Amino acid sequence: DTGVSQDPRHKITKRGQNVTFRCDPISEHNRLYWYRQTLGQGPEFLTYFQNEAQLEKSRLLSDRFSAERPKGSFSTLEIQRTEQGDSAMYLCASSLPGLPLHFGNGTRLTVT
Amino acid sequence: DAKTTQPPSMDCAEGRAANLPCNHSTISGNEYVYWYRQIHSQGPQYIIHGLKNNETNEMASLIITEDRKSSTLILPHATLRDTAVYYCIVRVAWETSGSRLTFGEGTQLTVNP
Repeated sequence: DTGVSQDPRHKITKRGQNVTFRCDPISEHNRLYWYRQTLGQGPEFLTYFQNEAQLEKSRLLSDRFSAERPKGSFSTLEIQRTEQGDSAMYLCASSLPGLPLHFGNGTRLTVT
Repeated sequence: DAKTTQPPSMDCAEGRAANLPCNHSTISGNEYVYWYRQIHSQGPQYIIHGLKNNETNEMASLIITEDRKSSTLILPHATLRDTAVYYCIVRVAWETSGSRLTFGEGTQLTVNP
């Protein structure tokens, strides 16, 4: 069990650019989640996959955001035309059905 | 999911027990109490959960009142490494609702030497 891995740990980008983050869940975990966390706040749910199917999306996930999990293993979160308000920590978590979520250490995005 | 109320911050002396309260007066009969913590610059870490009986594991104990309207997370011998934000979350069992978690602002626990 190597834990949930996220890459990169930090990303600085200019407003209007596109960014993509990757999450590698714990192997054999068929559930994968994306959360966003801004300074001083708790994490907020963005979206959830079971295997390759995206089963739930938050209203926070605007049309500039897209998440994929093409083979039911790793996942990517893309933000198009980034805005300063997108600056946050993006957290990925994985789990098995009926068991607690395991979180990665996140990707910190700064939009200048 | 039911709403929870936690104090924004608490202090504890190293080696002493840390008792973190959580109010969840609108909890439903099928909702569990979960605790996570988040150490600075890391992702949240699962600690413990329970329905109505008290629970204990290697990290902590969870005491739930008989009416289930409040609970206390106990770290029996706090260390400096326990300094973190502690989140109390109330939700239905993992199998339903896609297992999403709704985090509040949590309690910042500071363990002092």
